Amino acid sequence: QKEVEQNSGPLSVPEGAIASLNCTYSDRVSQSFFWYRQYSGKSPELIMSIYSNGDKEDGRFTAQLNKASQYVSLLIRDSQPSDSATYLCAVLRDGGFKTIFGAGTRLFVKA
Amino acid sequence: DTGVSQDPRHKITKRGQNVTFRCDPISEHNRLYWYRQTLGQGPEFLTYFQNEAQLEKSRLLSDRFSAERPKGSFSTLEIQRTEQGDSAMYLCASSSTRTGSLNTEAFFGQGTRLTVV
Repeated sequence: QKEVEQNSGPLSVPEGAIASLNCTYSDRVSQSFFWYRQYSGKSPELIMSIYSNGDKEDGRFTAQLNKASQYVSLLIRDSQPSDSATYLCAVLRDGGFKTIFGAGTRLFVKA
Repeated sequence: DTGVSQDPRHKITKRGQNVTFRCDPISEHNRLYWYRQTLGQGPEFLTYFQNEAQLEKSRLLSDRFSAERPKGSFSTLEIQRTEQGDSAMYLCASSSTRTGSLNTEAFFGQGTRLTVV
């Protein structure tokens, strides 16, 4: 089992729709969770962080965390073509020393 | 200082040659990480430093790889006797630790793309 698992996609949604990205992790003691966006040929860019169970909203983005289910998700409302990218789920483990990444989910937003 | 800086951005080298990459982290950040990313994969952890101390090195990192952070500021990653399988994007990230906090978001540089021919 991979430490951080994501559906590789691609996930295709029409412009204006809600995109839902999911991630599961294996280390129960993980405390910090992140979503990064990566455009083709570019480096990852941090877009959301979440540390406690529940929802965290920032503009069009909502991160959801369920530690009991070891599940993290990212919702993108009113999706735009500029949101088309790979979204990486990341988990901080080992006492807060090492961030482990999933393989990423490719998102396409169709105009 | 607006972010993590990496140099060079691109490097093409012949198999068997040595290469060295540099990373300058965000100035107040005491943690520095090196990752490697190949096409279609997420960043793969290589090693990390807290200040000048290298605290962990991935077992995926062969003896041909070495990293240093001599004064707790910039870091270098050297690959000796490069192989075609070393072709990848090498990413550097930095973060800071605050007493009593686990909120250590890591911020990435633009990466160094290595091509071994």
